[in-house]
Amino acid sequence: EAQVTQNPRYLITVTGKKLTVTCSQNMNHEYMSWYRQDPGLGLRQIYYSMNVEVTDKGDVPEGYKVSRKEKRNFPLILESPSPNQTSLYFCASSKGTGYPGELFFGEGSRLTVL
Amino acid sequence: DAKTTQPNSMESNEEEPVHLPCNHSTISGTDYIHWYRQLPSQGPEYVIHGLTSNVNNRMASLAIAEDRKSSTLILHRATLRDAAVYYCILRDVRGSNYKLTFGKGTLLTVNP
Repeated sequence: EAQVTQNPRYLITVTGKKLTVTCSQNMNHEYMSWYRQDPGLGLRQIYYSMNVEVTDKGDVPEGYKVSRKEKRNFPLILESPSPNQTSLYFCASSKGTGYPGELFFGEGSRLTVL
Repeated sequence: DAKTTQPNSMESNEEEPVHLPCNHSTISGTDYIHWYRQLPSQGPEYVIHGLTSNVNNRMASLAIAEDRKSSTLILHRATLRDAAVYYCILRDVRGSNYKLTFGKGTLLTVNP
């Protein structure tokens, strides 16, 4: 089954404790991206990657890092989480740029930073 | 990104058709019209997309106005499972970033 898998689905952590949210897709997609969803602000893009070793900032990259060492994985790293990073995070993937079709989303990771 | 306008909410009865409108008067020639939906506590789910012609798939139909300034997502027989927020999004495929700009969407309520 084609899917985007995120882990963990739920996490409560404390300010400053580094954490990584993993994302993996099994569709051989070139493109991957991270979004965060907050009430009243909708979904906003954090980072994206057009292929292995190619990443770029989205609209709200501050406080986040990403890496793309393998095609299937695109982890989101919070080096020093802060309470304003409490949010619902979604990973997404698609075929390469120029493809007009669908973006596949994961089920989400709900992060709470105390 | 070109902007879309949707009603905040709509209501339907189970097993009746639902027509969800979307206005996009500033659409450009290279913008595809995409529809996604988000069920409670889940990630957005692709529904359908089109460029100029009407489109059908197993989930829904997309009717695009001749001038492309508006479109309508049609659910032929609404079920309780169709209750969700529906997003109409324009996507320019020329860009290097496959970014979807989500607005507030339309909250669809389906009554039994």
